[in-house]
Amino acid sequence: SQTIHQWPATLVQPVGSPLSLECTVEGTSNPNLYWYRQAAGRGLQLLFYSVGIGQISSEVPQNLSASRPQDRQFILSSKKLLLSDSGFYLCAWSVWGRDTEAFFGQGTRLTVV
Amino acid sequence: GDSVTQMEGPVTLSEEAFLTINCTYTATGYPSLFWYVQYPGEGLQLLLKATKADDKGSNKGFEATYRKETTSFHLEKGSVQVSDSAVYFCALSPPYNTDKLIFGTGTRLQVFP
Repeated sequence: SQTIHQWPATLVQPVGSPLSLECTVEGTSNPNLYWYRQAAGRGLQLLFYSVGIGQISSEVPQNLSASRPQDRQFILSSKKLLLSDSGFYLCAWSVWGRDTEAFFGQGTRLTVV
Repeated sequence: GDSVTQMEGPVTLSEEAFLTINCTYTATGYPSLFWYVQYPGEGLQLLLKATKADDKGSNKGFEATYRKETTSFHLEKGSVQVSDSAVYFCALSPPYNTDKLIFGTGTRLQVFP
């Protein structure tokens, strides 16, 4: 069966520090991968999605970047965190194609102080 | 661009009351439409979906009908239970880019006994 792992579960980082959140998927090949941010009052915002290794689509210009170094690995990064980067980050995967279900990880609560 | 608009919450109901959570969308062409649910302390999971106009998605007593003429996909349930308390997200997948999944802001439902 397929599983998605996301870590860490919680993270407190000072302003200006770097960030690396990792997400891995098991039990499937060539998944679509997604990073979302869930902020209070703003719902679920799509940040990046990837349809293959090295292929990243950015939805919202901001202080973050994403990379996909391996088929089932998706990394969210920042060189210098801002206070506004605080939020709940969710990784998800789906099978390529129309109408397929997305499966979400448990999320990372990031607090920038 | 493509977007989803949901009614603001929280929606507060007594057990066995009728539920409607409104969702409207803006998209080019005919997107696929979804409802996801996030129970307290858990990740998002697919509740139901509809892939073409006039389709009705249903699951766990919830229903939603894809209305092209009103660009809506309202979620309904005839008799809610306390266990239905959760955050509900409406989402769409554009027909021109089925790899994208765009969510609304979410609506919190609170059901009291």
